[in-house]
Amino acid sequence: SQKIEQNSEALNIQEGKTATLTCNYTNYSPAYLQWYRQDPGRGPVFLLLIRENEKEKRKERLKVTFDTTLKQSLFHITASQPADSATYLCALARTGGFKTIFGAGTRLFVKA
Amino acid sequence: EAGVAQSPRYKIIEKRQSVAFWCNPISGHATLYWYQQILGQGPKLLIQFQNNGVVDDSQLPKDRFSAERLKGVDSTLKIQPAKLEDSAVYLCASSLDRNNEQFFGPGTRLTVL
Repeated sequence: SQKIEQNSEALNIQEGKTATLTCNYTNYSPAYLQWYRQDPGRGPVFLLLIRENEKEKRKERLKVTFDTTLKQSLFHITASQPADSATYLCALARTGGFKTIFGAGTRLFVKA
Repeated sequence: EAGVAQSPRYKIIEKRQSVAFWCNPISGHATLYWYQQILGQGPKLLIQFQNNGVVDDSQLPKDRFSAERLKGVDSTLKIQPAKLEDSAVYLCASSLDRNNEQFFGPGTRLTVL
């Protein structure tokens, strides 16, 4: 069955360091992958989208890589800040946005 | 621009009762999604609309859940009758088209007693 896995353990890092979150998947052929941020009691907020033919995408302090051979995406937050503390979700979708599936998320804590 | 609106924000019902949730997507967004998010899990897609047509409802428990999107704008999701395991946050999202990022509403937290 289709499966998407993210670090189940919370990630604790010091302010200023780079946070790296992992998203692995099996039995799925995505057309694109998205990363979202979710704060408690709120809906997810879109951060980045990367398509299957792209290797890397950047936006300000965020960087995402996508390796369809390894079936893995890495999400990096550089120069992390306490305000970056949240749960980060990865999501896969097929062409047309069909069959979107989300991972369970990784909780990130950035300590000052 | 206004975001995705959902109501109510919270709902508490007894099992076997009915409940309905409403969603107003971002203006001009053709695609609308309903998700169920159980505590500690990621959102699970229930149904996807393209304008007012259903394009994917493979994970919608059709014996108790129904959804419609009249005139390709607002949407309602209904549960009848509710079960204890339906306790979750129901999220509505919209996107400009099917291959774009999704914008989520704040969700409706449902508690079934």
